[in-house]
Amino acid sequence: GESVGLHLPTLSVQEGDNSIINCAYSNSASDYFIWYKQESGKGPQFIIDIRSNMDKRQGQRVTVLLNKTVKHLSLQIAATQPGDSAVYFCAENAAKAWAGNMLTFGGGTRLMVKP
Amino acid sequence: IAGITQAPTSQILAAGRRMTLRCTQDMRHNAMYWYRQDLGLGLRLIHYSNTAGTTGKGEVPDGYSVSRANTDDFPLTLASAVPSQTSVYFCATRFGGADTQYFGPGTRLTVL
Repeated sequence: GESVGLHLPTLSVQEGDNSIINCAYSNSASDYFIWYKQESGKGPQFIIDIRSNMDKRQGQRVTVLLNKTVKHLSLQIAATQPGDSAVYFCAENAAKAWAGNMLTFGGGTRLMVKP
Repeated sequence: IAGITQAPTSQILAAGRRMTLRCTQDMRHNAMYWYRQDLGLGLRLIHYSNTAGTTGKGEVPDGYSVSRANTDDFPLTLASAVPSQTSVYFCATRFGGADTQYFGPGTRLTVL
């Protein structure tokens, strides 16, 4: 079946380095993608999103890249800080209007920032 | 403004008992969702509601029911809890035609 997945379950980076978290999707009908950050004991927090008519979108210290050719999504975090340590989820919306814009989530990648 | 509140924060429940998890929002978002989060399985949709008065089934609806009597509240009921319903439950909301969902703090439920 169609799915959203992540390549790496755990990513360990040095403080100050850049982090790249990857996500593969297989639903070619998806037109919206979103990244969430989840800290321990908390709910997922919106980070950044991108529509399928874009290849790149930047936020504060974060950039999302979308490669529709290979169905790949990535989240780049610049100058990673200890506060960035969390689990990161990608999600896609396959624009199923009947289902009320439901999101399908990947399994998550844990980012660990070493001081 | 609280955003999305969930209650209780955590609960230990005996198998066979009935339990209602509460979700309340003050953002007047049309759509609301219930997810469960389990290790290795990510977030899975249980039920959703596009607007007050309507509900729909998600990926894993069995053993759960919901109601949406008004815009602000979306309770999730386990009629007869089973150990496999041990999980962390998240409520989420979405505004109108937007795609972004916003999540509550979650309820950790343990069924023994």
